[in-house]
Amino acid sequence: DGGITQSPKYLFRKEGQNVTLSCEQNLNHDAMYWYRQDPGQGLRLIYYSQIVNDFQKGDIAEGYSVSREKKESFPLTVTSAQKNPTAFYLCASSSPGSGYTFGSGTRLTVV
Amino acid sequence: DAKTTQPNSMESNEEEPVHLPCNHSTISGTDYIHWYRQLPSQGPEYVIHGLTSNVNNRMASLAIAEDRKSSTLILHRATLRDAAVYYCILMPYSGTYKYIFGTGTRLKVLA
Repeated sequence: DGGITQSPKYLFRKEGQNVTLSCEQNLNHDAMYWYRQDPGQGLRLIYYSQIVNDFQKGDIAEGYSVSREKKESFPLTVTSAQKNPTAFYLCASSSPGSGYTFGSGTRLTVV
Repeated sequence: DAKTTQPNSMESNEEEPVHLPCNHSTISGTDYIHWYRQLPSQGPEYVIHGLTSNVNNRMASLAIAEDRKSSTLILHRATLRDAAVYYCILMPYSGTYKYIFGTGTRLKVLA
């Protein structure tokens, strides 16, 4: 079945450590996105990519980095510069006329 | 980017219809109206979308105002499994990918 796979489901990060969240899609969608969601809040856009080897900052890109070397993959790195990284992270993809497809999310906790 | 406005929360009794409103007064002629819902600790899932005419599918109905400045998601018989946050967003068929998710409407279904 086509869809988006995010891994891991739960991730624990120590202070000062970089961690990478994986996002893979087999929908052949051009665009991919990373969102952050805090408890009881809506989705805030971190980064998005419309095409391979290109990506744009969203509203809260500071402390995060991404790459888009393959159409299927859009990993997100949470760097030590992100002071409050504990949140639920959602990856999504879309194609013209298709709307969004979301992954099941990664819950990141700083320990 | 065009923005939508939704009530923060709504309640419904089980087995009764639910009408979830969305205002989008700055909608452009090429914007589709999309609805997604997010169950606890999951990524949002697609519910329905439309352009001008009312739409029905197995999950819900979408009623679009004649001037397209508002729309209503209709759940014909609410069940406990419909308790979720419902997001209304505007998506052009192609072009800008920076869609805005607000805080949505949290629907509570009472047994």
